[in-house]
Amino acid sequence: GQSLEQPSEVTAVEGAIVQINCTYQTSGFYGLSWYQQHDGGAPTFLSYNALDGLEETGRFSSFLSRSDSYGYLLLQELQMKDSASYFCAVRPISGNTPLVFGKGTRLSVIA
Amino acid sequence: GAGVSQTPSNKVTEKGKYVELRCDPISGHTALYWYRQSLGQGPEFLIYFQGTGAADDSGLPNDRFFAVRPEGSVSTLKIQRTERGDSAVYLCASSTRGKTGELFFGEGSRLTVL
Repeated sequence: GQSLEQPSEVTAVEGAIVQINCTYQTSGFYGLSWYQQHDGGAPTFLSYNALDGLEETGRFSSFLSRSDSYGYLLLQELQMKDSASYFCAVRPISGNTPLVFGKGTRLSVIA
Repeated sequence: GAGVSQTPSNKVTEKGKYVELRCDPISGHTALYWYRQSLGQGPEFLIYFQGTGAADDSGLPNDRFFAVRPEGSVSTLKIQRTERGDSAVYLCASSTRGKTGELFFGEGSRLTVL
C-alpha cells in the first residue's frame, strides 16, 4: 500500500521561501505529484517528479529522492494568494489505482 | 468544455435517499476519476474509468456506491440509501490517458446528508 505524510499546517511571511515536505511509504510508484487547492476550489496540478532531482516551474520547485523516500515542494517569493492547501500524491505501480493523495498541508501566508 | 464540469455544486438530502452526481470531463479526455474529500483531508480515490469501462473500482466504499460512463464521456456517480457519513465533497477529474501524474479536477459536488 501507500501512505504519505505531510505537515498539517505551515505559516510563512509574504516574500519569503517555504518548503513543504512529503515523506512516503510505498510498494512502488511512478512519480510524485503536487497539487494546490484553495478553499472551496478544485485541486490544481503544480508539478510532477518522475525522476530524482529538482523540477522548477516559475516560483515553484519540487524535489524527489527515492532513496530517502522523501520529496518537497518549494515556494519562493511567497504571495498572499499562495495561501492554500498543498497535497503530495503518488502514482502506484501495482494495480490500476491512479493518484493516492496525502492529507495535505495548509499554508498560511501572512504580511 | 474548457474544464471539468460537475453538477450539482451543492446537494442536501435526507438519510436514506438516493442521489446522483454528474461529471462532464474535458473534451477528448479518455480517463475519468471520482474522488471523495472530507474536510481537512486529501482526496480519496473511489473509481477510475478508461473509456466506458471501470478500470479500477477498488475505492468504492460499499455496494451503495455505483458509477457509470455509458458513452465514454459524461459520468454519473450514484449513491443509494445515503448515510450521514457519506457527506463530503465528491470530486471528478479527467486526463488524456490513465495513470498520469496530472489530473484536471472539477470544483466538486458538496453532498450533505441530514
